[in-house]
Amino acid sequence: NAGVMQNPRHLVRRRGQEARLRCSPMKGHSHVYWYRQLPEEGLKFMVYLQKENIIDESGMPKERFSAEFPKEGPSILRIQQVVRGDSAAYFCASSLFGTGNYEQYFGPGTRLTVT
Amino acid sequence: AQSVTQLDSQVPVFEEAPVELRCNYSSSVSVYLFWYVQYPNQGLQLLLKYLSGSTLVKGINGFEAEFNKSQTSFHLRKPSVHISDTAEYFCAVITGNQFYFGTGTSLTVIP
Repeated sequence: NAGVMQNPRHLVRRRGQEARLRCSPMKGHSHVYWYRQLPEEGLKFMVYLQKENIIDESGMPKERFSAEFPKEGPSILRIQQVVRGDSAAYFCASSLFGTGNYEQYFGPGTRLTVT
Repeated sequence: AQSVTQLDSQVPVFEEAPVELRCNYSSSVSVYLFWYVQYPNQGLQLLLKYLSGSTLVKGINGFEAEFNKSQTSFHLRKPSVHISDTAEYFCAVITGNQFYFGTGTSLTVIP
C-alpha cells in the first residue's frame, strides 16, 4: 500500500510565478491536510479538506493561497504570485477518518524555493 | 489557544547513552499528544501517541513517553540510543482537526 505521495519533491519558482503542489493521499483515505514548515520552525497547519469540500482553512493566508481536493485526482495546493517568504517545505497528510481519528500519515513534502 | 514548547533545539548524545527530549504544552482543554520523527528529506513518521489510559506510552524503535497532566508535559525517552536515531523529533498536540507542532528537537547521536 503506497503511502502519501507528493510531487514535485523540489520546486523552484521566481517571484510572481505560480506554484502548484500535489498530494495523493493513501489509498482509501478521503481526508487531506496541508502543513507548512518554515526554516527552524515546526509545522503549521494550513487547511483540512475532504473530497470536494474545504473543512477548515483557518491556517491559510487570506490571499494568494488556495487548496482543492477534487472528486478525482490529487489534492492541489496553489500559491499565486509567489514571494520569497513562501519558501518552505509543504507537507501533506491524509487520514482514513476525520475528526476523532488521530492517525495522520505524512508525505515526504515539497520543498519550494522562491528566487 | 494551544501551544507546544520543545525546550531543547539540539540534543547531542553518545551512542548507547539514554536520552530525554522535553515537551510541554499549554491547553485549557483535554489534549491528545504525539511524538513524530523526521529523517532528512522525509516526511513525519508517528513514534507514539497518548489519547487516554496509561500515562506511560510505548512507541516504535524503543521510544517511550510519559504524560504528566500536572506538569503539562509529555517527554520522550529512550534508554539507549543508536546512530540511526539521529533525526528531528516533533512533539504535537491535537484538538479538533488541527495538529499544533513544536519547533522540533534535533537529536544527534555521536559514535
